[in-house]
Amino acid sequence: RKEVEQDPGPFNVPEGATVAFNCTYSNSASQSFFWYRQDCRKEPKLLMSVYSSGNEDGRFTAQLNRASQYISLLIRDSKLSDSATYLCVVPRSGGSYIPTFGRGTSLIVHP
Amino acid sequence: DAGITQSPRYKITETGRQVTLMCHQTWSHSYMFWYRQDLGHGLRLIYYSAAADITDKGEVPDGYVVSRSKTENFPLTLESATRSQTSVYFCASRDGETQYFGPGTRLLVL
Repeated sequence: RKEVEQDPGPFNVPEGATVAFNCTYSNSASQSFFWYRQDCRKEPKLLMSVYSSGNEDGRFTAQLNRASQYISLLIRDSKLSDSATYLCVVPRSGGSYIPTFGRGTSLIVHP
Repeated sequence: DAGITQSPRYKITETGRQVTLMCHQTWSHSYMFWYRQDLGHGLRLIYYSAAADITDKGEVPDGYVVSRSKTENFPLTLESATRSQTSVYFCASRDGETQYFGPGTRLLVL
């Protein structure tokens, strides 16, 4: 299994829809996980952290499933401005916190 | 302004030439990183640095050289550019577990 795997999509959803992405990881010792957002031709920016208890920020909910080794990102009431690529980040195997980025999941929200 | 800057933002060069991409941060973060981003591969780590004068290889270091004589600067050099090094290059620094990225350098090697 690759260190981090994501479905590249694109996920094409109408405004107002609820959409969820998953990200699987191979390092069972990983403690910290993150979701980053990347707009077209721009730099990635931190969206939210994912810890054992999960995390919710407005319309966004991130959860961790250690048993199955995946994290998820749920977006409720999708907006046109949510269109972007969502990158999953997990620590690289073997020690100090060096992040490994997934290839990203593309989301397109249409009117 | 505080943050991470990269220069140049766009660069066209020819095969075999040496190219240096600059990265400067104003926060004094210890860790800095260089990534390349290509379609189908996502972000791949080239080199990283834990502090001044400490650097280490990432996933795809071949053909690249880095240095970190000062905490705030982390230049990336392509010693002899190849077409396969055409990419978007992002520099980042880390505060705790959060990474902050520069705006990227788009490099085209002809």
